[in-house]
Amino acid sequence: TQLLEQSPQFLSIQEGENLTVYCNSSSVFSSLQWYRQEPGEGPVLLVTVVTGGEVKKLKRLTFQFGDARKDSSLHITAAQTGDTGLYLCAGGGGTSYGKLTFGQGTILTVHP
Amino acid sequence: SQTIHQWPATLVQPVGSPLSLECTVEGTSNPNLYWYRQAAGRGLQLLFYSIGIDQISSEVPQNLSASRPQDRQFILSSKKLLLSDSGFYLCAWSNQGLTNYGYTFGSGTRLTVV
Repeated sequence: TQLLEQSPQFLSIQEGENLTVYCNSSSVFSSLQWYRQEPGEGPVLLVTVVTGGEVKKLKRLTFQFGDARKDSSLHITAAQTGDTGLYLCAGGGGTSYGKLTFGQGTILTVHP
Repeated sequence: SQTIHQWPATLVQPVGSPLSLECTVEGTSNPNLYWYRQAAGRGLQLLFYSIGIDQISSEVPQNLSASRPQDRQFILSSKKLLLSDSGFYLCAWSNQGLTNYGYTFGSGTRLTVV
């Protein structure tokens, strides 16, 4: 069974601060995705990384896939109150069924 | 463009009553379809997935069942709800064999069993 561990589980910061969320596993994944979810809504895909060592940037968000494709990180620069939400990482095993393994999530609260 | 619809948005049901949640996808064909449950706004637990009509796989033994009567329709059901069935239910779709494109989720159903 593939497991993804996210840390920290909770993060409370002030606007303008930087933060990093980690997603770790002992398993190798063919792809790693990050989602953001707001209360009462479904998760929304932010990014997919597929190559070991890959780095992708989405405005103030930087995503990195570990060289061994077992871990990933999400770094937010100069957090804004609009970044508040639940961040989920998910690993794909490359099967035709497309099943993803989700981490437990990181609840981020950015205070003004 | 592809869209996914999930309803109802909220539901309050008594213990022992039946359940039917519906999810439909538009703008694509032969999608992979998934039902997830999310507890307390945290991680997602995969309940069922489907790669085609009448092809359903269950991930967790439980009081729920799923059906796919049409290519783009996915239904989550229960004959008798339990208190433990309360939660946030999410339907999602992905392209067949293309996991790298990720999931598109519906807006979810908040189920409260009383």
